[in-house]
Amino acid sequence: AQSVTQLGSHVSVSEGALVLLRCNYSSSVPPYLFWYVQYPNQGLQLLLKYTSAATLVKGINGFEAEFKKSETSFHLTKPSAHMSDAAEYFCAVSESGTYKYIFGTGTRLKVLA
Amino acid sequence: DGGITQSPKYLFRKEGQNVTLSCEQNLNHDAMYWYRQDPGQGLRLIYYSQIVNDFQKGDIAEGYSVSREKKESFPLTVTSAQKNPTAFYLCASSGSGQRAETQYFGPGTRLLVL
Repeated sequence: AQSVTQLGSHVSVSEGALVLLRCNYSSSVPPYLFWYVQYPNQGLQLLLKYTSAATLVKGINGFEAEFKKSETSFHLTKPSAHMSDAAEYFCAVSESGTYKYIFGTGTRLKVLA
Repeated sequence: DGGITQSPKYLFRKEGQNVTLSCEQNLNHDAMYWYRQDPGQGLRLIYYSQIVNDFQKGDIAEGYSVSREKKESFPLTVTSAQKNPTAFYLCASSGSGQRAETQYFGPGTRLLVL
């Protein structure tokens, strides 16, 4: 069965510092992977997705993620954090043979002034 | 603008009462989904529908029911059998339901128990 692990339920960074949010997946087939962002009391918005094309995926708001098969990882990064990046971030994998997503438990990002 | 609407934004349920959450999309998507979100648990799938008049149970369907009579609409009923309904409920849709398809989410409904 496919699964997603997000290490660190809370991450704090200073404004202007590197953002690194970790996601590891388990899948017996080539995965499709997604990162979503959620602001308080709102729905989820897609940041980026990996669908077996380029391993480095660029998304919105300056975020990018690199698919590393050998490490079964899909970590999300941004070179310089902005106050507006404070939100909760979810990694998801698309389950083989169905339309279902499996979501990680989320990482809440706090940006310090 | 195309998108997904959910109503109401907040919903209060009395003990023993059934309540229905609305989800409408004008994206012409075939597939629709309902998720429940609890703090620290991420999103869990309640029900999903790949096509009109067809739907499947997700991982936590007990105490919930759905219908899919129209392509645009996928209402969720929280029945009195759901003993812990307090949560944030999110509706989503995707185009044809392929694995690579992006799921688009509505703004959510927060259900509270009186």
